[in-house]
Parts: sequence; C-alpha cells; structure tokens
Amino acid sequence: GENVEQHPSTLSVQEGDSAVIKCTYSDSASNYFPWYKQELGKRPQLIIDIRSNVGEKKDQRIAVTLNKTAKHFSLHITETQPEDSAVYFCAARPKGGYQKVTFGTGTKLQVIP
Amino acid sequence: DVKVTQSSRYLVKRTGEKVFLECVQDMDHENMFWYRQDPGLGLRLIYFSYDVKMKEKGDIPEGYSVSREKKERFSLILESASTNQTSMYLCASSLPGTNTEAFFGQGTRLTVV
Repeated sequence: GENVEQHPSTLSVQEGDSAVIKCTYSDSASNYFPWYKQELGKRPQLIIDIRSNVGEKKDQRIAVTLNKTAKHFSLHITETQPEDSAVYFCAARPKGGYQKVTFGTGTKLQVIP
Repeated sequence: DVKVTQSSRYLVKRTGEKVFLECVQDMDHENMFWYRQDPGLGLRLIYFSYDVKMKEKGDIPEGYSVSREKKERFSLILESASTNQTSMYLCASSLPGTNTEAFFGQGTRLTVV
C-alpha cells in the first residue's frame, strides 16, 4: 500500500517568513495529493490539492509543488501570519481503489508574532 | 455547506465495553471514512465505505468493525474496548471520483479506562 512520509514534524517561523513542508510517497500510481490544515481543537479542512499532471499550483499565499519522478511534493506558505499556526497534513491517493487516501504524520507549524 | 456530525465530542468507556461511534452526513456523499488520530502518527484509516452495506478495511482495522445501513450514517464499533484504543476518532465523507475533497466531522475523543 501507499506510504507517505512528512517532514518536519514541527516548524517554527517568524511572522512574515516562509514555511515549507515536504512529503514523499511510495506508490507511483498515486495521482492526487491534497493538503489539509487542522487548527487547534478543530476538524481538518482541505486548503489546496494538486493532481499528478500538474507540477505546481498556487492559491494566494499557498503553493504546492509536485515532482513525480522523485515522488515528493511540498507545501509552501509565504508571508506567514499567526492564523497560519496549525497542524498540516499531506496526503496521497492512488488511482482507483475507492478513493482511499493515505495521510502523512502531520507538521505542527507555529508562527511567532 | 457540507455537514458531518459525530454523535459525541468526548466519551469515556471501560475496558471490555462495546462502544458505538456514530457519524451522520447531510450531503448525500457515497464515500464515508473512519480515521483515528494519534500524536506523531497522523490520520490512520480504520475502515471506509463506498456505498450502503459496503465496507473496506483500511490500514488498522483490527479491533474495529463498521456498519452502514443508510447512506447518511456510518457507525464505528469497538467490539471490546481496550486502553490502546484511547484516541481521537474522525469521521469523513466525500463524493465519488478521483479528486474529491474529504469533509471531516469534529472528532470524538474516546478514553478507555
């Protein structure tokens, strides 16, 4: 089955700096890579996703890049703000298989004002 | 606005008890999932269902079973609760398709004593 590794497990940045979270996956058949944000005490929510036929996708201060050859993908947050503080999960879904998603272990991001 | 509701926010049960965790979604989603969330381990899939009365094992199904008698409701059952099942349990639902967002419930914090 799919295995997703996520690094770092914790990340502290100064407000206004950039943050990068990296994930690798094992199944070359995976073709969909969502990122979820979970604020303290709340449910995970999708913030951005990317398909395997796309190398990069941006949404305001958030961007995701995908390298299919190396089987890794990354989340980039620019101009970080205190409200970006949360746990971020990457995930990968193989083609077919009833849309089963495998999550990474999460990154706790702290933005220091 | 999608709503996924879990029956309890906090639950305390005794070792050996049979435990039912209920999840209801109101958006007519075909897919429903149960995850457990533990620090450092991320979100691990226990079971998922892609249709009424259909179920598939996830990555950690041991000690759990599920029931889906109606499309909107997906129940997780701990046949005989044990202390190592103390965790946060998250239900999610999604439409079918290869690139669909999973909507999560607010979670049930289960403590087995």
